[in-house]
Amino acid sequence: QITLKESGPTVVKPTQTLTLTCTFSGFSFTTSGEWMGWVRQPPGKALEWLALIHWDDDERYSPSLRSRLTITKDTSKKEVVLKMTNMDSVDTGTYFCAHTSGGFGGLSVFDVWGQGTMVTVSS
Amino acid sequence: SYELTQPPSVSVSPGQTATITCSGSNLGEKYISWYQQRPGQSPVVVIFQDNRRPSGIPERFSGSNSGNTATLTISGTQAMDEADYYCQAWDSSAFIFGSGTTVAVL
Repeated sequence: QITLKESGPTVVKPTQTLTLTCTFSGFSFTTSGEWMGWVRQPPGKALEWLALIHWDDDERYSPSLRSRLTITKDTSKKEVVLKMTNMDSVDTGTYFCAHTSGGFGGLSVFDVWGQGTMVTVSS
Repeated sequence: SYELTQPPSVSVSPGQTATITCSGSNLGEKYISWYQQRPGQSPVVVIFQDNRRPSGIPERFSGSNSGNTATLTISGTQAMDEADYYCQAWDSSAFIFGSGTTVAVL
């Protein structure tokens, strides 16, 4: 059974860099077609995909946020890390770690989600 | 950029059928997933690749996709189905989520 757990700061200041960690268990993240990544949700609003990383370190980003995002992984620690620079109040929301299967494309599905971590951007 | 449009809310009586639509240009040419998000919880996939149900998802959830509209149908809706539902597609190397629909079981 795959489980994901997010961790990181609950509050960041405007212009700061947010660093979130997803710790996973129940799989080795060495299978072709498996990706891990991040989806966020502002309070009361819709889900928004941010980034994905493949087991072979292939990285994919939301085009609208690409310049601010970096996703990395440490398979030995079973961690996936997301960095988002230049945080603003509009970035306030819940950040979910997610596992996908089906490759990167139309067959992909976010099949396992973490519990999410709320991040507030405030001075 | 590609957009997926959903009605903000749908109301249904217990035991009746709830129909949630997701609209987008030539949507029928893409695979659609549907996610259920109960209040305060993480999303859960209920339909993927238009009409496939993950193990553990009740048979009352079904999906279809044709033309410009994908549809999630909940037959025999139960109180536990009250939640937000999001459609999701893949377009131009990005994952797109719909605006979300709140299903109220009244």
